[in-house]
This record gives sequence, structure tokens and C-alpha cells, in this order.
Amino acid sequence: AQKVTQAQTEISVVEKEDVTLDCVYETRDTTYYLFWYKQPPSGELVFLIRRNSFDEQNEISGRYSWNFQKSTSSFNFTITASQVVDSAVYFCALSEAGSSASKIIFGSGTRLSIRP
Amino acid sequence: DTGVSQNPRHKITKRGQNVTFRCDPISEHNRLYWYRQTLGQGPEFLTYFQNEAQLEKSRLLSDRFSAERPKGSFSTLEIQRTEQGDSAMYLCASSSTGWGTEAFFGQGTRLTVV
Repeated sequence: AQKVTQAQTEISVVEKEDVTLDCVYETRDTTYYLFWYKQPPSGELVFLIRRNSFDEQNEISGRYSWNFQKSTSSFNFTITASQVVDSAVYFCALSEAGSSASKIIFGSGTRLSIRP
Repeated sequence: DTGVSQNPRHKITKRGQNVTFRCDPISEHNRLYWYRQTLGQGPEFLTYFQNEAQLEKSRLLSDRFSAERPKGSFSTLEIQRTEQGDSAMYLCASSSTGWGTEAFFGQGTRLTVV
């Protein structure tokens, strides 16, 4: 069965600090995709990144970076030099190749608050 | 606006009433998903369409819930005999064909059952 765990329910940091959001997943498939989505106060989920199980190369996009480690079943997300606009709920998610629907299973989210 | 559109944005209904929500996906997407999100939780998968065919339904989708996508374009989600436990945000998403493609979400319909 597939499962995504985001153990950090809430994180609060001061602006310009770096912050890492943890994500641990469970799957029996060897082929899967991992995602991060952002949900700002407006409510709409915004896609941030997708990574397939065969590509463990870390990725950096501006202030955002992602660390994928299959050995620990983790896909962590780091925001460097955080800004107030980064305040949102962040969801890690998983889609298994064996899932006929390609449905995306979400974690419970981490609420990130950036204080000025 | 070419994103996923959901109507209404908010719905307040009395317990026992029926409600229907509409989702208009991104026009070139043939996959459409419904999710439910309660406060403090991540979205939970409800059902999925590939064109007009409903291919998977979650155990969360009781007999009171029905979804349709009659022409493979827009979709409706109906809840019959609403209960207070149905209060939640109902999210629609669409994606193109292909495993692992990202889903694009609408702003959701917030249902409150009183």
C-alpha cells in the first residue's frame, strides 16, 4: 500500500532562514513518481516538482531544492532564504506505476509560516 | 483563464439535501480527478475519469456520492442526503494522459452541511 508521511505539521521560521520540509513515503512499487504541491491561503494546489523513482538526482530551482534518497524513502524539500510569500501548506505526494488511475496520494501537509 | 474551474466556490446546505458540484477541466486534459480535503489534512482521492469512463472509485465514495463526466469534458459530483460529515473542500484536478503527469487543481468547492 502507498503512504506518504509528513511528520512536521507546522513550522515557523523568521524570514531569510533556510527551512527543510520532510517527506517519507512507502510503496511496494519500484516505479513511482513523487511530487510536491503548495497550497497558499487562497486554497488552490500549485504543482512545484515531479521526480520519478529512477532519477535520484537532486534538483534546484531558484531558492527551492529537493533531495530524493531512495535508501531512506525520503523526498525532502528545502527553501533557502525564506520569504513571507513562501507561507503556505506544502504537500508531498506519491503516484505508483501500478495504480491504474495514476492517482496521486497526498501526505497530510506541513504548514509553513514565515515571520517578517 | 484556461485553468481548472469549479462551481460553486461555496455551498451551504441543510442536512439531508442533495448537492451537485461542477468541474471544468483544462480543455486538452482527458483525465479528471475528484478529491476531498478536510481541515488539516491532505487531499483524499475519491474518483477518476479517463475521458467519459469512470475507472476507479475510492472506498471513501459511499453510495450517496455519484460522479459523471458525460461527454468527457466537464464533470459533476453529486452528494445525496448530505450529512454533516460531508462538510469538506471538494477539489477537482485534471491531467493529460501518461503516467506520472502532474495534476492541475481547481480552487475547490467548500461544502458546509448544517
